[in-house]
Amino acid sequence: DQQVKQNSPSLSVQEGRISILNCDYTNSMFDYFLWYKKYPAEGPTFLISISSIKDKNEDGRFTVFLNKSAKHLSLHIVPSQPGDSAVYFCAASQTPHSGAGSYQLTFGKGTKLSVIP
Amino acid sequence: DAGVTQSPTHLIKTRGQQVTLRCSPKSGHDTVSWYQQALGQGPQFIFQYYEEEERQRGNFPDRFSGHQFPNYSSELNVNALLLGDSALYLCASSLGMRGLDGELFFGEGSRLTVL
Repeated sequence: DQQVKQNSPSLSVQEGRISILNCDYTNSMFDYFLWYKKYPAEGPTFLISISSIKDKNEDGRFTVFLNKSAKHLSLHIVPSQPGDSAVYFCAASQTPHSGAGSYQLTFGKGTKLSVIP
Repeated sequence: DAGVTQSPTHLIKTRGQQVTLRCSPKSGHDTVSWYQQALGQGPQFIFQYYEEEERQRGNFPDRFSGHQFPNYSSELNVNALLLGDSALYLCASSLGMRGLDGELFFGEGSRLTVL
C-alpha cells in the first residue's frame, strides 16, 4: 500500500519553461512534506519542505504547493535549467505524538525530470 | 566539513551470506537512519538509531539489524541474504531524530548485489 504516490515516472521540459512535479498521499496523519533531488551515483539531497499548516513555500526557483483537502502537493521549478535534470522524490512524515518516538520519511517512487537545452 | 560517508560503495554477495554496511554521519549529527532503495523504487525506511538505541523499525524482517556506536557511526547487518535484498542501501544522518526542518542528509549509498 503506497502512502506516497508519484504517478509520473518521467517528465521532459524545455529549458526556461516551468517544470511541475506532482505527488499524492493517502495518510492524513502526514504533517510534513519534503522534496529530494537525486543525481545518479549520489545520495538524495534535500530541496524544499512544507509543513501542513502552510499551503505554499518558496525558495528561489523552487516552490512547493500543498492542497491538504486533495492530499496533493506539487513542486514548481521556474525557470527550469539543464542542471535540474535528476530524479525528484516526494517524501512525507508524521510527527510523533510525544517527545519520544522516531522520525521516518515515506518516499514516493520518484519522477525523472529531463530539462532539454 | 565531511558529509555522510558510507562503505563499501559496491559489494557482491551470494545467497545465504551475511553483510555489514557502515556509515559515518555528517559532523555534528547524532542520529542515523537506514533506508533501502530497490531498483525503480523510492527509499524505504529500515530503522533509525539515536543514543545507541534502535528507535523505530520499518517493515523489515529481523534479518536486518543495526548498531550505533558512541561516536554516532552506525552499522547495518543483513543475515541470510536473499536475492531480493539486492538494492542501494542509504544512510541518512540528522541532529536529533527529526533534524532541522525534517531534513535528512544522505550518503551516496552502498550498492549490494546478491547472486
